[in-house]
Amino acid sequence: GAGVSQSPRYKVAKRGQDVALRCDPISGHVSLFWYQQALGQGPEFLTYFQNEAQLDKSGLPSDRFFAERPEGSVSTLKIQRTQQEDSAVYLCASSFGRLDTQYFGPGTRLTVL
Amino acid sequence: DQQVKQNSPSLSVQEGRISILNCDYTNSMFDYFLWYKKYPAEGPTFLISISSIKDKNEDGRFTVFLNKSAKHLSLHIVPSQPGDSAVYFCAADNTNAGKSTFGDGTTLTVKP
Repeated sequence: GAGVSQSPRYKVAKRGQDVALRCDPISGHVSLFWYQQALGQGPEFLTYFQNEAQLDKSGLPSDRFFAERPEGSVSTLKIQRTQQEDSAVYLCASSFGRLDTQYFGPGTRLTVL
Repeated sequence: DQQVKQNSPSLSVQEGRISILNCDYTNSMFDYFLWYKKYPAEGPTFLISISSIKDKNEDGRFTVFLNKSAKHLSLHIVPSQPGDSAVYFCAADNTNAGKSTFGDGTTLTVKP
């Protein structure tokens, strides 16, 4: 398909475990965003990439959260030493430019036990 | 402090009638507003947007109204269809910052 894909769709982790969430954006999209959506709330901005450059990481909640996009395409969000409060749906979105329409993936639902 | 608020968690309307979803914001730096629609197990899908230089934008059955003085926007769906049943998120941008702030969503149910 031509949309944004994310994997895995569901992840269960034990507290303290490290996790890695993958995002495959739409081909040709320069901009890539990560959001965190807690249950019953709207998505909250985590970080933004333009190509391989991480231009804004102001939304990352702690230094346990790390994102990369080394070749300007696929992106990985890594969470180290997961905590229960990290349980949420992690959404990835891509767009041609930062102010263009964002296309969201289906999200990865992370549950930390 | 939540900068974008959708005060109605849910709304139920009859098919064919008008659905009105409301959104309030507090940050006067916001200059671009968007509505997204979300079905279960899918990501949000862009629906319609409005710039702060306008007070109305229309796209088919969907119209967004912006009242800057009241810091309020609304989405009107006319006529409502059962397929419109979804969660609707309001979002606001400061185009200089280029990142969206979302409300918590309103679940719309359109009954046949």
